[in-house]
Amino acid sequence: EAGVAQSPRYKIIEKRQSVAFWCNPISGHATLYWYQQILGQGPKLLIQFQNNGVVDDSQLPKDRFSAERLKGVDSTLKIQPAKLEDSAVYLCASSLGSGRVNQPQHFGDGTRLSIL
Amino acid sequence: KQEVTQIPAALSVPEGENLVLNCSFTDSAIYNLQWFRQDPGKGLTSLLLIQSSQREQTSGRLNASLDKSSGRSTLYIAASQPGDSATYLCAVLRSNYQLIWGAGTKLIIKP
Repeated sequence: EAGVAQSPRYKIIEKRQSVAFWCNPISGHATLYWYQQILGQGPKLLIQFQNNGVVDDSQLPKDRFSAERLKGVDSTLKIQPAKLEDSAVYLCASSLGSGRVNQPQHFGDGTRLSIL
Repeated sequence: KQEVTQIPAALSVPEGENLVLNCSFTDSAIYNLQWFRQDPGKGLTSLLLIQSSQREQTSGRLNASLDKSSGRSTLYIAASQPGDSATYLCAVLRSNYQLIWGAGTKLIIKP
């Protein structure tokens, strides 16, 4: 079974520039999550999708971050404009469905974003 | 508000020792608690999942316990190996299906 795929692995941009990340979840997984992990901290949920609908985006800085999952499969996360504090690893995860509480989340290797 | 704390932040032990990692949480209303492993530059790998009705789970040399009443979980690693070196994170699943994470314990096993 193929895992969660993310690209790019690394991205370096200057502040105020834009950046986009891509995630392809495990086939058949209805739920997709985007997390931000700052060095030395645990992941923070940015947004959770159930198929192509948003379940939770309460911690997404909506003035600069946006995410979509138009066809209920792949997802993109965008930051525009980037700030220095956005430097972090952005992790994508997927699971079979949020209604199944004991289904584990499977994580991609993440995109490491550095803002200069 | 649910908070998850992991102490210590870092731990270094000689190879072959048994060790315990600690996780505490403030709200006992959880669906489950999970332990994850994170290698440098990698995502997270789920190690053990303990349902709220369970007391412990075992997988190989790993044993995780859960005491909801005291808001504590431990991850026991037997006969540690250099390959166990990684950051270990615990996370609790809230009623809204959101995972709340600890900051992790960085474990170094010295050969």
